[in-house]
Amino acid sequence: QKEVEQNSGPLSVPEGAIASLNCTYSDRGSQSFFWYRQYSGKSPELIMFIYSNGDKEDGRFTAQLNKASQYVSLLIRDSQPSDSATYLCAAPNAGNMLTFGGGTRLMVKP
Amino acid sequence: NAGVTQTPKFQVLKTGQSMTLQCAQDMNHNSMYWYRQDPGMGLRLIYYSASEGTTDKGEVPNGYNVSRLNKREFSLRLESAAPSQTSVYFCASSEGQRFFSGANVLTFGAGSRLTVL
Repeated sequence: QKEVEQNSGPLSVPEGAIASLNCTYSDRGSQSFFWYRQYSGKSPELIMFIYSNGDKEDGRFTAQLNKASQYVSLLIRDSQPSDSATYLCAAPNAGNMLTFGGGTRLMVKP
Repeated sequence: NAGVTQTPKFQVLKTGQSMTLQCAQDMNHNSMYWYRQDPGMGLRLIYYSASEGTTDKGEVPNGYNVSRLNKREFSLRLESAAPSQTSVYFCASSEGQRFFSGANVLTFGAGSRLTVL
């Protein structure tokens, strides 16, 4: 089992809606997670880091970590067509290397 | 402000040929990494260098070698390319490896698209 799992999508939402992207992880000891955004043909760029249980907000982005259920979510409010991209979840593994999920492709339709 | 620079951006090889992907960073980062990205597989770590003078295997090291030439440069070599190595390769760097606390983040290069025929 991959340490970090994501639904590959595509997840399609209308412009202005809330997009909800989920990531599950297998290591109960994991405490910190990164969300990267990757536009088609481009490199990943960091958009959020979350360390503790609960929510972390940054502009239109909210990351939610639920350690009991072993999932982390990224919510994008007021989705825009420019948010269309693949979103990668990552967590440090036992060797302190970042392990990435397969990514979820988000499509925001005007 | 270049960040992480990779060359070449595109390369086509025949099976059995060799090549080296070059990576350089200008952020004075200590740690450097090579990842490959295949459809649906996310990013998988090939090799990393925690600091100048050290290199270690990642998740998928077979068929690759690396050299940390100096603090700025980290190269990835394919000695005998195989079609299974067709992929997009990303070099990345970080100041350190304290990812648990979020004290360090990965900065990626633009990627190198390699096709092995």
